[in-house]
Amino acid sequence: EAEVAQSPRYKITEKSQAVAFWCDPISGHATLYWYRQILGQGPELLVQFQDESVVDDSQLPKDRFSAERLKGVDSTLKIQPAELGDSAMYLCASSFRRGQELTGELFFGEGSRLTVL
Amino acid sequence: GENVEQHPSTLSVQEGDSAVIKCTYSDSASNYFPWYKQELGKRPQLIIDIRSNVGEKKDQRIAVTLNKTAKHFSLHITETQPEDSAVYFCAAKSGAGSYQLTFGKGTKLSVIP
Repeated sequence: EAEVAQSPRYKITEKSQAVAFWCDPISGHATLYWYRQILGQGPELLVQFQDESVVDDSQLPKDRFSAERLKGVDSTLKIQPAELGDSAMYLCASSFRRGQELTGELFFGEGSRLTVL
Repeated sequence: GENVEQHPSTLSVQEGDSAVIKCTYSDSASNYFPWYKQELGKRPQLIIDIRSNVGEKKDQRIAVTLNKTAKHFSLHITETQPEDSAVYFCAAKSGAGSYQLTFGKGTKLSVIP
Protein backbone atom coordinates (compact mmCIF):
# COMPACT_ATOMS: atom_id res chain seq x y z
CA GLU A 1 0.00 0.00 0.00
CA ALA A 2 1.40 3.40 -0.98
CA GLU A 3 2.30 5.70 1.90
CA VAL A 4 3.55 9.22 2.43
CA ALA A 5 7.25 9.08 3.32
CA GLN A 6 8.88 11.55 5.69
CA SER A 7 12.37 11.98 7.06
CA PRO A 8 13.91 12.25 9.50
CA ARG A 9 11.54 10.64 12.01
CA TYR A 10 13.26 12.40 14.89
CA LYS A 11 15.41 15.50 15.05
CA ILE A 12 17.02 17.09 18.08
CA THR A 13 18.64 20.45 17.57
CA GLU A 14 19.74 23.46 19.52
CA LYS A 15 17.95 26.76 19.16
CA SER A 16 19.24 29.03 16.41
CA GLN A 17 20.25 26.03 14.29
CA ALA A 18 18.71 25.19 10.92
CA VAL A 19 16.58 22.09 10.38
CA ALA A 20 14.98 20.58 7.32
CA PHE A 21 12.28 17.99 6.81
CA TRP A 22 11.55 16.05 3.67
CA CYS A 23 8.30 14.58 2.39
CA ASP A 24 7.52 12.32 -0.54
CA PRO A 25 3.75 12.12 -1.15
CA ILE A 26 1.86 9.22 -2.62
CA SER A 27 2.52 8.99 -6.34
CA GLY A 28 -0.02 10.95 -8.33
CA HIS A 29 -1.18 13.10 -5.45
CA ALA A 30 -1.15 16.69 -6.65
CA THR A 31 -1.93 18.32 -3.31
CA LEU A 32 0.61 18.32 -0.50
CA TYR A 33 0.26 19.77 3.00
CA TRP A 34 2.59 20.46 5.88
CA TYR A 35 0.92 20.43 9.29
CA ARG A 36 2.39 21.13 12.72
CA GLN A 37 1.05 19.17 15.67
CA ILE A 38 1.96 20.37 19.13
CA LEU A 39 1.70 17.65 21.78
CA GLY A 40 -1.88 17.25 22.91
CA GLN A 41 -3.38 19.32 20.10
CA GLY A 42 -4.74 18.84 16.62
CA PRO A 43 -2.72 19.36 13.45
CA GLU A 44 -2.47 22.97 12.28
CA LEU A 45 -1.89 23.75 8.62
CA LEU A 46 1.38 25.49 7.80
CA VAL A 47 1.38 25.37 3.99
CA GLN A 48 -0.55 23.78 1.15
CA PHE A 49 0.80 23.05 -2.34
CA GLN A 50 -1.08 22.27 -5.51
CA ASP A 51 1.56 20.71 -7.76
CA GLU A 52 4.55 23.07 -7.40
CA SER A 53 2.50 26.14 -6.46
CA VAL A 54 1.74 27.38 -2.96
CA VAL A 55 -2.02 27.56 -2.46
CA ASP A 56 -2.00 28.75 1.14
CA ASP A 57 0.89 29.71 3.41
CA SER A 58 -0.99 32.20 5.55
CA GLN A 59 -0.12 30.30 8.76
CA LEU A 60 3.54 29.79 7.91
CA PRO A 61 5.89 31.97 10.02
CA LYS A 62 7.77 33.25 7.02
CA ASP A 63 10.49 34.96 8.98
CA ARG A 64 11.92 31.56 9.87
CA PHE A 65 10.01 28.89 7.94
CA SER A 66 10.20 28.12 4.25
CA ALA A 67 8.73 25.37 2.12
CA GLU A 68 9.24 24.31 -1.45
CA ARG A 69 8.02 21.69 -3.87
CA LEU A 70 10.14 22.50 -6.88
CA LYS A 71 9.09 19.74 -9.27
CA GLY A 72 5.64 19.23 -7.86
CA VAL A 73 6.53 15.92 -6.27
CA ASP A 74 8.53 15.83 -3.04
CA SER A 75 8.76 18.76 -0.67
CA THR A 76 11.09 20.26 1.92
CA LEU A 77 10.17 22.29 4.98
CA LYS A 78 12.96 24.33 6.53
CA ILE A 79 13.25 26.20 9.80
CA GLN A 80 16.04 28.70 10.31
CA PRO A 81 16.73 29.59 13.04
CA ALA A 82 14.89 27.07 15.19
CA GLU A 83 13.30 28.33 18.41
CA LEU A 84 12.22 26.46 21.54
CA GLY A 85 8.56 26.91 20.60
CA ASP A 86 9.09 25.03 17.34
CA SER A 87 9.26 21.71 19.18
CA ALA A 88 6.42 19.69 17.67
CA MET A 89 5.53 16.92 15.24
CA TYR A 90 5.67 18.05 11.63
CA LEU A 91 3.22 16.05 9.56
CA CYS A 92 3.13 15.88 5.81
CA ALA A 93 -0.06 14.83 4.06
CA SER A 94 -1.17 14.42 0.47
CA SER A 95 -4.43 14.04 -1.36
CA PHE A 96 -5.44 13.20 -4.89
CA ARG A 97 -7.21 15.92 -6.75
CA ARG A 98 -8.16 16.00 -10.40
CA GLY A 99 -9.45 19.31 -11.63
CA GLN A 100 -12.06 20.52 -9.17
CA GLU A 101 -13.09 17.03 -8.11
CA LEU A 102 -12.46 16.34 -4.46
CA THR A 103 -11.73 12.77 -3.50
CA GLY A 104 -11.79 13.24 0.23
CA GLU A 105 -9.06 11.59 2.16
CA LEU A 106 -5.84 13.14 3.37
CA PHE A 107 -3.07 10.59 3.72
CA PHE A 108 -0.57 11.44 6.43
CA GLY A 109 3.05 10.47 6.82
CA GLU A 110 4.51 9.19 10.08
CA GLY A 111 5.74 12.68 10.88
CA SER A 112 9.03 14.24 11.92
CA ARG A 113 9.31 14.95 15.62
CA LEU A 114 11.42 18.01 16.34
CA THR A 115 12.90 18.79 19.73
CA VAL A 116 14.62 22.15 20.12
CA LEU A 117 16.92 22.46 23.13
CA GLY B 1 -11.32 31.17 8.71
CA GLU B 2 -12.84 27.99 10.01
CA ASN B 3 -12.79 27.20 13.73
CA VAL B 4 -13.48 23.69 15.03
CA GLU B 5 -14.20 23.00 18.68
CA GLN B 6 -14.07 19.42 19.99
CA HIS B 7 -15.37 17.93 23.24
CA PRO B 8 -14.53 16.22 25.49
CA SER B 9 -10.75 16.36 25.53
CA THR B 10 -10.58 13.03 27.35
CA LEU B 11 -13.09 10.20 27.56
CA SER B 12 -12.93 6.92 29.46
CA VAL B 13 -15.46 4.16 28.87
CA GLN B 14 -15.81 0.54 29.87
CA GLU B 15 -15.29 -2.03 27.17
CA GLY B 16 -18.59 -2.68 25.42
CA ASP B 17 -20.05 0.73 26.20
CA SER B 18 -20.62 3.49 23.65
CA ALA B 19 -18.50 6.59 23.18
CA VAL B 20 -19.63 9.91 21.72
CA ILE B 21 -17.38 12.78 20.66
CA LYS B 22 -18.84 16.11 19.57
CA CYS B 23 -17.54 18.91 17.37
CA THR B 24 -18.83 22.29 16.32
CA TYR B 25 -17.67 24.37 13.38
CA SER B 26 -18.02 28.04 12.53
CA ASP B 27 -18.02 28.29 8.73
CA SER B 28 -21.48 27.58 7.36
CA ALA B 29 -19.89 26.98 3.94
CA SER B 30 -17.93 23.96 5.19
CA ASN B 31 -19.18 20.84 3.46
CA TYR B 32 -16.91 17.95 4.36
CA PHE B 33 -16.30 16.54 7.85
CA PRO B 34 -13.82 13.70 8.36
CA TRP B 35 -12.77 11.95 11.54
CA TYR B 36 -9.19 10.77 12.06
CA LYS B 37 -7.84 8.27 14.57
CA GLN B 38 -4.28 8.62 15.82
CA GLU B 39 -2.76 5.85 17.86
CA LEU B 40 0.21 6.66 20.06
CA GLY B 41 3.26 7.45 17.94
CA LYS B 42 1.46 6.77 14.67
CA ARG B 43 0.06 8.81 11.82
CA PRO B 44 -3.54 10.06 11.80
CA GLN B 45 -5.77 7.81 9.72
CA LEU B 46 -9.21 8.48 8.33
CA ILE B 47 -11.91 6.34 9.93
CA ILE B 48 -15.10 7.90 8.59
CA ASP B 49 -16.25 11.05 6.85
CA ILE B 50 -19.51 12.76 5.97
CA ARG B 51 -20.51 15.37 3.43
CA SER B 52 -22.99 18.14 4.04
CA ASN B 53 -25.69 16.59 1.86
CA VAL B 54 -25.97 13.63 4.26
CA GLY B 55 -27.24 13.64 7.84
CA GLU B 56 -25.80 10.34 9.02
CA LYS B 57 -23.30 7.74 7.91
CA LYS B 58 -22.48 4.41 9.49
CA ASP B 59 -19.64 1.94 9.08
CA GLN B 60 -19.90 -1.12 11.31
CA ARG B 61 -19.40 0.11 14.89
CA ILE B 62 -18.77 3.74 14.05
CA ALA B 63 -21.21 6.38 12.87
CA VAL B 64 -21.17 10.10 12.28
CA THR B 65 -24.10 12.49 12.44
CA LEU B 66 -24.25 16.01 11.07
CA ASN B 67 -26.57 18.87 12.01
CA LYS B 68 -25.93 21.67 9.50
CA THR B 69 -28.38 24.05 11.14
CA ALA B 70 -26.62 23.85 14.48
CA LYS B 71 -23.21 23.44 12.83
CA HIS B 72 -22.21 20.42 14.80
CA PHE B 73 -21.28 16.83 14.07
CA SER B 74 -20.61 13.84 16.26
CA LEU B 75 -18.74 10.54 16.21
CA HIS B 76 -20.42 7.54 17.79
CA ILE B 77 -18.55 4.34 18.58
CA THR B 78 -20.62 1.41 19.80
CA GLU B 79 -19.44 -1.77 21.54
CA THR B 80 -16.08 -0.21 22.27
CA GLN B 81 -12.99 -2.41 22.35
CA PRO B 82 -9.53 -1.81 23.84
CA GLU B 83 -8.11 -1.27 20.36
CA ASP B 84 -10.40 1.74 20.00
CA SER B 85 -8.18 3.53 22.52
CA ALA B 86 -6.55 6.43 20.66
CA VAL B 87 -6.84 10.15 20.03
CA TYR B 88 -9.68 11.08 17.71
CA PHE B 89 -9.70 14.30 15.70
CA CYS B 90 -12.64 15.86 13.93
CA ALA B 91 -12.05 18.22 11.03
CA ALA B 92 -13.96 20.47 8.68
CA LYS B 93 -13.16 21.48 5.13
CA SER B 94 -12.90 25.23 4.82
CA GLY B 95 -12.57 27.59 1.90
CA ALA B 96 -14.68 27.36 -1.18
CA GLY B 97 -12.65 25.83 -4.00
CA SER B 98 -9.84 24.92 -1.63
CA TYR B 99 -9.33 21.51 -0.13
CA GLN B 100 -8.04 22.38 3.31
CA LEU B 101 -8.92 20.81 6.64
CA THR B 102 -9.15 22.55 10.01
CA PHE B 103 -8.79 20.10 12.89
CA GLY B 104 -10.20 20.05 16.39
CA LYS B 105 -7.86 19.65 19.34
CA GLY B 106 -8.57 15.97 19.73
CA THR B 107 -10.23 13.59 22.18
CA LYS B 108 -8.19 10.96 23.98
CA LEU B 109 -10.40 7.89 24.27
CA SER B 110 -9.49 5.20 26.77
CA VAL B 111 -11.41 1.93 26.69
CA ILE B 112 -11.07 0.09 29.99
CA PRO B 113 -11.12 -3.73 29.69
